[in-house]
Amino acid sequence: AQSVTQLGSHVSVSEGALVLLRCNYSSSVPPYLFWYVQYPNQGLQLLLKYTSAATLVKGINGFEAEFKKSETSFHLTKPSAHMSDAAEYFCAVSSSGSARQLTFGSGTQLTVLP
Amino acid sequence: DTAVSQTPKYLVTQMGNDKSIKCEQNLGHDTMYWYKQDSKKFLKIMFSYNNKELIINETVPNRFSPKSPDKAHLNLHINSLELGDSAVYFCASQTGGGTDTQYFGPGTRLTVL
Repeated sequence: AQSVTQLGSHVSVSEGALVLLRCNYSSSVPPYLFWYVQYPNQGLQLLLKYTSAATLVKGINGFEAEFKKSETSFHLTKPSAHMSDAAEYFCAVSSSGSARQLTFGSGTQLTVLP
Repeated sequence: DTAVSQTPKYLVTQMGNDKSIKCEQNLGHDTMYWYKQDSKKFLKIMFSYNNKELIINETVPNRFSPKSPDKAHLNLHINSLELGDSAVYFCASQTGGGTDTQYFGPGTRLTVL
Protein backbone atom coordinates (compact mmCIF):
# COMPACT_ATOMS: atom_id res chain seq x y z
CA ALA A 1 0.00 0.00 0.00
CA GLN A 2 1.14 3.54 -0.61
CA SER A 3 0.15 6.83 0.92
CA VAL A 4 1.14 10.47 1.06
CA THR A 5 0.83 12.92 3.94
CA GLN A 6 0.99 16.64 3.38
CA LEU A 7 1.68 18.59 6.55
CA GLY A 8 -0.23 21.84 6.70
CA SER A 9 -3.45 22.27 4.77
CA HIS A 10 -2.80 26.01 4.54
CA VAL A 11 0.52 27.81 4.20
CA SER A 12 0.94 31.58 3.98
CA VAL A 13 4.12 33.32 2.93
CA SER A 14 5.02 36.88 2.02
CA GLU A 15 5.92 37.72 -1.53
CA GLY A 16 9.67 37.12 -1.96
CA ALA A 17 9.88 34.70 0.97
CA LEU A 18 10.86 31.05 0.85
CA VAL A 19 8.11 28.56 0.03
CA LEU A 20 8.28 25.18 1.77
CA LEU A 21 5.48 22.65 1.32
CA ARG A 22 5.92 19.36 3.13
CA CYS A 23 5.22 15.88 1.83
CA ASN A 24 5.96 12.52 3.43
CA TYR A 25 5.29 9.25 1.70
CA SER A 26 4.82 5.63 2.60
CA SER A 27 5.51 2.94 0.03
CA SER A 28 6.53 -0.70 0.18
CA VAL A 29 8.49 -0.35 -3.07
CA PRO A 30 10.72 2.44 -4.39
CA PRO A 31 8.28 5.21 -5.13
CA TYR A 32 7.76 7.59 -7.96
CA LEU A 33 6.78 10.96 -6.52
CA PHE A 34 5.04 13.93 -8.07
CA TRP A 35 4.01 17.47 -7.22
CA TYR A 36 1.00 18.90 -9.01
CA VAL A 37 -0.43 22.42 -8.82
CA GLN A 38 -4.09 23.36 -9.19
CA TYR A 39 -5.03 26.95 -9.89
CA PRO A 40 -8.60 28.03 -9.06
CA ASN A 41 -11.21 26.36 -11.25
CA GLN A 42 -8.58 24.54 -13.29
CA GLY A 43 -7.23 21.03 -13.64
CA LEU A 44 -3.98 19.77 -12.20
CA GLN A 45 -0.65 20.60 -13.80
CA LEU A 46 2.60 18.74 -13.16
CA LEU A 47 5.27 20.79 -11.39
CA LEU A 48 7.94 18.12 -11.12
CA LYS A 49 8.51 14.42 -10.58
CA TYR A 50 11.03 12.06 -9.00
CA THR A 51 11.74 8.87 -10.93
CA SER A 52 14.75 7.41 -9.07
CA ALA A 53 17.35 9.42 -10.95
CA ALA A 54 18.70 12.60 -9.30
CA THR A 55 17.38 13.15 -5.79
CA LEU A 56 17.11 16.92 -6.33
CA VAL A 57 14.46 17.54 -8.93
CA LYS A 58 13.87 20.86 -10.62
CA GLY A 59 10.48 21.71 -11.99
CA ILE A 60 8.62 24.53 -13.66
CA ASN A 61 8.14 28.04 -12.28
CA GLY A 62 11.28 27.87 -10.13
CA PHE A 63 10.11 25.02 -7.91
CA GLU A 64 12.28 22.13 -6.83
CA ALA A 65 11.98 19.15 -4.51
CA GLU A 66 14.44 16.84 -2.84
CA PHE A 67 13.85 13.12 -2.36
CA LYS A 68 15.14 11.99 1.03
CA LYS A 69 14.76 8.26 1.48
CA SER A 70 15.94 8.29 5.12
CA GLU A 71 13.20 10.77 5.99
CA THR A 72 10.63 9.40 3.50
CA SER A 73 10.12 12.98 2.40
CA PHE A 74 9.70 14.90 -0.84
CA HIS A 75 9.30 18.52 0.23
CA LEU A 76 8.63 21.24 -2.35
CA THR A 77 10.54 24.52 -2.21
CA LYS A 78 10.87 27.79 -4.05
CA PRO A 79 13.39 30.42 -2.97
CA SER A 80 11.19 33.44 -3.60
CA ALA A 81 7.40 33.36 -3.68
CA HIS A 82 5.46 35.24 -6.31
CA MET A 83 1.83 36.29 -6.15
CA SER A 84 1.11 33.98 -9.09
CA ASP A 85 2.19 30.97 -6.99
CA ALA A 86 -1.01 31.14 -4.95
CA ALA A 87 -2.74 27.83 -5.64
CA GLU A 88 -3.45 24.36 -4.25
CA TYR A 89 -0.48 21.97 -4.31
CA PHE A 90 -0.75 18.20 -4.30
CA CYS A 91 1.92 15.63 -3.61
CA ALA A 92 1.32 12.20 -5.14
CA VAL A 93 2.95 8.77 -5.20
CA SER A 94 2.74 6.29 -8.04
CA SER A 95 2.49 2.55 -7.70
CA SER A 96 4.76 0.20 -9.53
CA GLY A 97 3.48 -2.27 -12.08
CA SER A 98 0.99 -1.79 -14.81
CA ALA A 99 -1.75 -0.19 -12.76
CA ARG A 100 0.06 3.17 -12.66
CA GLN A 101 -2.20 4.40 -9.91
CA LEU A 102 -1.57 7.84 -8.42
CA THR A 103 -2.36 8.32 -4.75
CA PHE A 104 -2.70 11.97 -3.78
CA GLY A 105 -2.12 13.80 -0.54
CA SER A 106 -4.84 16.02 0.87
CA GLY A 107 -3.36 19.16 -0.67
CA THR A 108 -1.84 22.39 0.67
CA GLN A 109 -3.36 25.76 -0.11
CA LEU A 110 -0.58 28.30 -0.61
CA THR A 111 -1.41 31.95 0.00
CA VAL A 112 1.09 34.64 -0.99
CA LEU A 113 0.77 37.90 0.91
CA PRO A 114 1.81 41.21 -0.67
CA ASP B 1 -4.99 22.54 -28.90
CA THR B 2 -6.49 21.18 -25.71
CA ALA B 3 -4.75 17.95 -24.68
CA VAL B 4 -7.46 16.56 -22.39
CA SER B 5 -10.94 18.02 -22.70
CA GLN B 6 -14.09 17.40 -20.73
CA THR B 7 -17.71 18.31 -21.36
CA PRO B 8 -19.61 19.81 -19.79
CA LYS B 9 -17.60 22.08 -17.51
CA TYR B 10 -20.57 22.60 -15.19
CA LEU B 11 -23.48 20.25 -14.59
CA VAL B 12 -26.40 21.07 -12.30
CA THR B 13 -29.10 18.45 -11.94
CA GLN B 14 -31.74 17.05 -9.65
CA MET B 15 -31.43 14.00 -7.42
CA GLY B 16 -32.41 10.79 -9.16
CA ASN B 17 -31.43 11.95 -12.64
CA ASP B 18 -28.95 10.18 -14.92
CA LYS B 19 -26.10 12.17 -16.42
CA SER B 20 -22.93 11.65 -18.45
CA ILE B 21 -19.58 13.41 -18.56
CA LYS B 22 -17.41 13.07 -21.63
CA CYS B 23 -13.63 13.06 -21.86
CA GLU B 24 -11.38 13.14 -24.88
CA GLN B 25 -7.59 13.21 -25.17
CA ASN B 26 -5.60 14.01 -28.30
CA LEU B 27 -2.23 12.98 -26.89
CA GLY B 28 -2.27 9.44 -28.24
CA HIS B 29 -2.07 8.04 -24.71
CA ASP B 30 -3.01 4.46 -23.87
CA THR B 31 -4.37 4.99 -20.38
CA MET B 32 -7.18 7.20 -19.13
CA TYR B 33 -8.53 7.86 -15.66
CA TRP B 34 -11.44 9.34 -13.77
CA TYR B 35 -10.82 11.07 -10.45
CA LYS B 36 -13.29 12.60 -7.99
CA GLN B 37 -12.36 15.72 -6.02
CA ASP B 38 -14.61 16.38 -3.05
CA SER B 39 -15.44 19.67 -1.36
CA LYS B 40 -12.28 19.44 0.76
CA LYS B 41 -10.18 19.18 -2.40
CA PHE B 42 -9.34 15.50 -1.72
CA LEU B 43 -8.60 13.64 -4.97
CA LYS B 44 -9.43 9.97 -5.30
CA ILE B 45 -9.10 7.70 -8.29
CA MET B 46 -12.29 6.06 -9.50
CA PHE B 47 -11.44 4.18 -12.69
CA SER B 48 -8.65 3.57 -15.13
CA TYR B 49 -8.77 2.20 -18.66
CA ASN B 50 -5.82 0.99 -20.73
CA ASN B 51 -6.51 0.53 -24.44
CA LYS B 52 -10.25 0.39 -23.75
CA GLU B 53 -9.82 -2.24 -21.03
CA LEU B 54 -10.77 -1.51 -17.41
CA ILE B 55 -7.69 -1.93 -15.20
CA ILE B 56 -8.57 0.02 -12.05
CA ASN B 57 -12.00 -0.01 -10.47
CA GLU B 58 -11.91 1.45 -6.98
CA THR B 59 -14.72 1.12 -4.49
CA VAL B 60 -17.24 3.18 -6.35
CA PRO B 61 -21.03 2.70 -6.31
CA ASN B 62 -22.19 0.72 -9.31
CA ARG B 63 -24.33 3.73 -10.25
CA PHE B 64 -21.09 4.97 -11.82
CA SER B 65 -20.23 3.29 -15.10
CA PRO B 66 -17.28 4.24 -17.28
CA LYS B 67 -17.36 3.61 -21.01
CA SER B 68 -14.40 3.74 -23.36
CA PRO B 69 -15.56 3.62 -27.00
CA ASP B 70 -11.98 4.03 -28.20
CA LYS B 71 -8.53 4.79 -26.84
CA ALA B 72 -9.06 8.55 -27.03
CA HIS B 73 -12.35 8.69 -25.14
CA LEU B 74 -13.46 7.77 -21.64
CA ASN B 75 -16.96 8.75 -20.61
CA LEU B 76 -18.53 8.56 -17.17
CA HIS B 77 -22.21 7.78 -16.79
CA ILE B 78 -23.90 8.25 -13.44
CA ASN B 79 -27.32 6.79 -12.67
CA SER B 80 -29.74 7.89 -9.96
CA LEU B 81 -27.67 10.85 -8.84
CA GLU B 82 -27.41 11.53 -5.12
CA LEU B 83 -26.48 14.64 -3.15
CA GLY B 84 -23.14 13.06 -2.21
CA ASP B 85 -22.16 12.81 -5.86
CA SER B 86 -21.66 16.57 -5.94
CA ALA B 87 -17.96 17.07 -6.64
CA VAL B 88 -15.49 17.99 -9.35
CA TYR B 89 -14.70 15.10 -11.66
CA PHE B 90 -11.37 15.06 -13.46
CA CYS B 91 -10.35 13.02 -16.43
CA ALA B 92 -6.64 12.31 -16.99
CA SER B 93 -4.51 10.43 -19.49
CA GLN B 94 -1.05 8.89 -19.41
CA THR B 95 1.28 6.87 -21.58
CA GLY B 96 3.94 4.41 -20.55
CA GLY B 97 4.75 3.31 -17.02
CA GLY B 98 4.50 4.67 -13.51
CA THR B 99 7.06 7.41 -14.06
CA ASP B 100 5.06 9.08 -16.75
CA THR B 101 3.07 12.23 -16.25
CA GLN B 102 -0.69 12.15 -16.01
CA TYR B 103 -2.31 15.01 -17.91
CA PHE B 104 -5.52 16.30 -16.41
CA GLY B 105 -8.57 17.80 -17.99
CA PRO B 106 -10.11 21.04 -16.68
CA GLY B 107 -12.69 19.22 -14.59
CA THR B 108 -16.48 18.99 -14.52
CA ARG B 109 -18.21 20.51 -11.52
CA LEU B 110 -21.29 18.41 -10.77
CA THR B 111 -23.91 19.84 -8.45
CA VAL B 112 -26.81 17.63 -7.41
CA LEU B 113 -29.79 19.48 -5.94
